[in-house]
Parts: sequence; C-alpha cells; structure tokens
Amino acid sequence: DAKTTQPNSMESNEEEPVHLPCNHSTISGTDYIHWYRQLPSQGPEYVIHGLTSNVNNRMASLAIAEDRKSSTLILHRATLRDAAVYYCILNNNAGNMLTFGGGTRLMVKP
Amino acid sequence: DSGVTQTPKHLITATGQRVTLRCSPRSGDLSVYWYQQSLDQGLQFLIQYYNGEERAKGNILERFSAQQFPDLHSELNLSSLELGDSALYFCASSVRSSQAMNTEAFFGQGTRLTVV
Repeated sequence: DAKTTQPNSMESNEEEPVHLPCNHSTISGTDYIHWYRQLPSQGPEYVIHGLTSNVNNRMASLAIAEDRKSSTLILHRATLRDAAVYYCILNNNAGNMLTFGGGTRLMVKP
Repeated sequence: DSGVTQTPKHLITATGQRVTLRCSPRSGDLSVYWYQQSLDQGLQFLIQYYNGEERAKGNILERFSAQQFPDLHSELNLSSLELGDSALYFCASSVRSSQAMNTEAFFGQGTRLTVV
C-alpha cells in the first residue's frame, strides 16, 4: 500500500485558516486521497476525499498537487471543535478498507 | 450521529473470558468493517464483511472472529482475552458495489474493552 507522511502535530489559532499537509510520493493512479478526523473519545469521521481535482464541501477543502504526490486539507476557519487527529489515507479499489497512519494532531488555541 | 450503532459502549472483563461486540450498520450499507485502536498501535483494520460474506482480513488474531448476519448487523467475538486486548473497537459501514468502491465510511462510537 502506498504510504502517507503527515506532521505529528500542528497548532492553530481559533478563527484562522489551517492547512494540514500530507505527502504521498508513491501514490498510484487509482488511489483516492481520503481525509478522516477523530475527535477525542469518538470514532473517526469522514472529512473529504478526491482523486485529481480540488474538492470542496461544507467541512473543508482538499487541494491536490498536480503530480498528486502531496495534498493539503484546508479548514477555512478553525474552531475549538476542530481539535482532533486528522488522518490522510490513500484508498484504492482493493478491498475498500482504510489504512490509518499516525495522523496529525491539530490543537486549536482560543 | 453517524448512523452506526455499537453496543456495549464499555465492557470490563477478566483475562481468559470471551466477549461479543455488536454493530448495526447504517441503513442500506452492505459492508461492515472492524478496527482496533490501542494506544501503542493506532487504528488497525481487523476484518471486513460484505453482505454476509467475509471480504478482507487484516491483522486479526485467531482468538478473534466475526460474522455478519442476514439483517446485516455484525458481531465481533473475542475469546481467551489477554490484558493486551484492552482497546477501543470500532465498527464502520459503507455502501460498496463494484462501481462505487471509493465511498466514505461511517464509524460508530466504539466499544471500550478493558481486560483486567
């Protein structure tokens, strides 16, 4: 499975944008880029996913590099409720299971 | 609320015992996945069922087994429990077909198992 690399932790101020990076230099053409987050004491929660084009939804935006070797999850205005571990995952059609790495722990300061 | 229901929320049991964790997927979802999350291992995929049949296996111990019933709920059975089996166990569900395999998964709130 292609692997992802994320910073262990990041800090942000409340109401400021947050850019969470993910490197996936061995990504294959069929790998989708998924982002999930896990709030304290909760199960993982889907955030967004994409293949080649940038994607927007009500939670976040996903910016995918042209060579697809990296991507960035963008939270437009961080709130205290966004404090969580964010996982960048590559998912292809083989089995549809998610392989979680260590993720990035996002801390949001008031 | 993800729509995935796991019971019980908490379970405390002794070493050597057997427990059953239950998962009800979102309405209409045919796939159920089980994950284990411990402090030192992170989230580990255990097993997947699709419409009653085992579809994929991860690092699931031989002491663990699972099944998916005709009504699509799933059970994870853990036997001969050891202290190291203490963890959070998550169930997830998703819609899966040959044309729509890259879809989001919805996770339950988990069952916290403590083996003493």
